[in-house]
Amino acid sequence: AQSVTQLGSHVSVSEGALVLLRCNYSSSVPPYLFWYVQYPNQGLQLLLKYTSAATLVKGINGFEAEFKKSETSFHLTKPSAHMSDAAEYFCAVSDWEGGANSKLTFGKGITLSVRP
Amino acid sequence: DGGITQSPKYLFRKEGQNVTLSCEQNLNHDAMYWYRQDPGQGLRLIYYSQIVNDFQKGDIAEGYSVSREKKESFPLTVTSAQKNPTAFYLCASSISQTYEQYFGPGTRLTVT
Repeated sequence: AQSVTQLGSHVSVSEGALVLLRCNYSSSVPPYLFWYVQYPNQGLQLLLKYTSAATLVKGINGFEAEFKKSETSFHLTKPSAHMSDAAEYFCAVSDWEGGANSKLTFGKGITLSVRP
Repeated sequence: DGGITQSPKYLFRKEGQNVTLSCEQNLNHDAMYWYRQDPGQGLRLIYYSQIVNDFQKGDIAEGYSVSREKKESFPLTVTSAQKNPTAFYLCASSISQTYEQYFGPGTRLTVT
C-alpha cells in the first residue's frame, strides 16, 4: 500500500524567501509523484509531476521538486516566495503498475503563508 | 476549452433531503472521481469510476451514491443517510487511475 506524509500543517515564509514543502512517500513499486496547489474555494491545480524521467522536475509558477529514491522524498521548492504563492499544497503518489486498485493517494496538505 | 465543470458552486439543503451534485468533463478521460474535503483532513475519496457503467466505493462511500451512464458525466448524490454532509466536494478525472487527476472547481454543500 502506498502512502504520503506531509509533515506539519502550516509553513510561513517571508516574501522573497526560499519555500520548502516536504513530502515523503512509501510505495512498494516505483512511484509516480505529484504536487498540487489549491487556492481558497477552488479545485486543485497540478503544479508538477514525476513519472520516472528526470529526477529534478520543474513545474509552473517557478516551483520545482526533486525525486530522491534513497530518502523516499519529493520535496517542493521555490527560490523566492511571492505573495500569490499563499495557498494549500498537496503531495500525491500513485503506483504505475496499474490495475483495479491503482489510484492516487493524497497527503493531508500544507498551508503556505507568505509574509510581506 | 477542455475541462471539468461542477455545478452549482454553492448548494444549500435542508436536513433529510437528497441532493445531487453535477460533474461533467470534456477531456475524454476514462476515470472519474469524487472527493470530500473538510478543513484539516485533506481529500477523502468517496467513489471512483474507471469506465462507463462501472464504479467502486472509496474510503467514505456510506451515505453517497453515484452513476456513470455516460463517459462525460459522473453525478454524486448525497443521501439523507449521510450523517454529516456539509463539506466541499471535488470532482476529478484522469486518463487512467495511475496518472495525474484534473479537478473541477468544487461544490460547497451546506445542509442545515
